[in-house]
Amino acid sequence: DQQVKQNSPSLSVQEGRISILNCDYTNSMFDYFLWYKKYPAEGPTFLISISSIKDKNEDGRFTVFLNKSAKHLSLHIVPSQPGDSAVYFCAASAGTYKYIFGTGTRLKVLA
Amino acid sequence: DTAVSQTPKYLVTQMGNDKSIKCEQNLGHDTMYWYKQDSKKFLKIMFSYNNKELIINETVPNRFSPKSPDKAHLNLHINSLELGDSAVYFCASSQALGLVQFFGPGTRLTVL
Repeated sequence: DQQVKQNSPSLSVQEGRISILNCDYTNSMFDYFLWYKKYPAEGPTFLISISSIKDKNEDGRFTVFLNKSAKHLSLHIVPSQPGDSAVYFCAASAGTYKYIFGTGTRLKVLA
Repeated sequence: DTAVSQTPKYLVTQMGNDKSIKCEQNLGHDTMYWYKQDSKKFLKIMFSYNNKELIINETVPNRFSPKSPDKAHLNLHINSLELGDSAVYFCASSQALGLVQFFGPGTRLTVL
């Protein structure tokens, strides 16, 4: 029962363009969402979060959008840089201590 | 001055052996976690300790036993290793339950 889904295993984007990574969830009780970035041979690193009371949160080049009715969130990176090439995980929590992670999307930013 | 460290980074062992993975955090966090990332890349929580007390214990075989000697350490001991235990194991910590987690670099366990 996969409650958090990232349906695109990979994405390639030209440097300077926008990267959009998507995440869908099924549990309407989820109220807090996180995005993590992971480089090879390293652990995931926290990137940005959003609470269910908001529909947008921005931090520099990174913006997360939440559409509760569609149970969908997306991470926008603009402009994309080669150093953004990594695997991106979304994670969700339902007011508990437990986060459910998606399977990740591998982003490749082409120079 | 690594925030969350794990040892060893790689572990190759035979079926039936017992092994341990160590985790230490120097962030002063109260909560620590163990996650397993399997071959399908699912990252699933296994255990969580808060102030040395077990808080989350997912459906994990009881061959897996976490041990928290103090708030800065959460070790994972695995008995009678099986082929299906092969995965990358990540330790993480957070300031408190439910807050953003900081992950270690992972330990790749291969059971032959």
